[in-house]
Amino acid sequence: QEQLVQSGTEVMQPGASVKVSCKASGFAFSGYEIHWVRQAPGQGLEWMGWINLHSGGTNYAQKFQGRVTMTRDTSIRTAYMEVTRLRSDDTAVYYCARGIPSGVFDVWGQGTMVTDSS
Amino acid sequence: SHELTQPPSVSVSPGQTARITCSGAAFPNQYAHWYQQKPGQAPVLVIYKDTARPSGIPGRFSGSSSGASVTLTISGVQAEDEADYYCQSADSSGTSVLFGGGTKLTVL
Repeated sequence: QEQLVQSGTEVMQPGASVKVSCKASGFAFSGYEIHWVRQAPGQGLEWMGWINLHSGGTNYAQKFQGRVTMTRDTSIRTAYMEVTRLRSDDTAVYYCARGIPSGVFDVWGQGTMVTDSS
Repeated sequence: SHELTQPPSVSVSPGQTARITCSGAAFPNQYAHWYQQKPGQAPVLVIYKDTARPSGIPGRFSGSSSGASVTLTISGVQAEDEADYYCQSADSSGTSVLFGGGTKLTVL
């Protein structure tokens, strides 16, 4: 069964960083991209960027450049997304999704909530 | 702001046909994909590359494209289809992913 399993809820501190993991199983890890999408409470989906799991190459949405880093560890089939200099408006559910040709997201993680401590 | 425009809401009675449109400058040069999201759940792909349906998605879901807009059609709507629906595509260069603002489908 092809699936992505994400790490658990994070309580953020403004100004700090958070790193979310996304573990893949059931498919050839290095053959795909992993995209990250976030959803603020009551809002729509917002694309953040992707990482090529084979090369490690990345492409970030302009809004997140300089504040988001996507990495992967092929030995443990896990992708990571780190957001630095957290702000209260970063409160959201963060999803990883497998990207296949033509920009389709066919497998999604269950989501990781990043919530404000206040 | 979103570069893909969807109506905020659509309401239909059970058994009727629901049509959700998505318009944007990306079309028709870029493909459109559609996702269904129920409360507290991750999105699920229901239509990809304008008209293709993934395995496991009921046949009542279909997609079409015409000029600068695409449409998700749900024929014979069932109560379980009540959800938010998002269109997704890419910008004209193909380097950035775009999502529509989402449409809440209410089954009356």
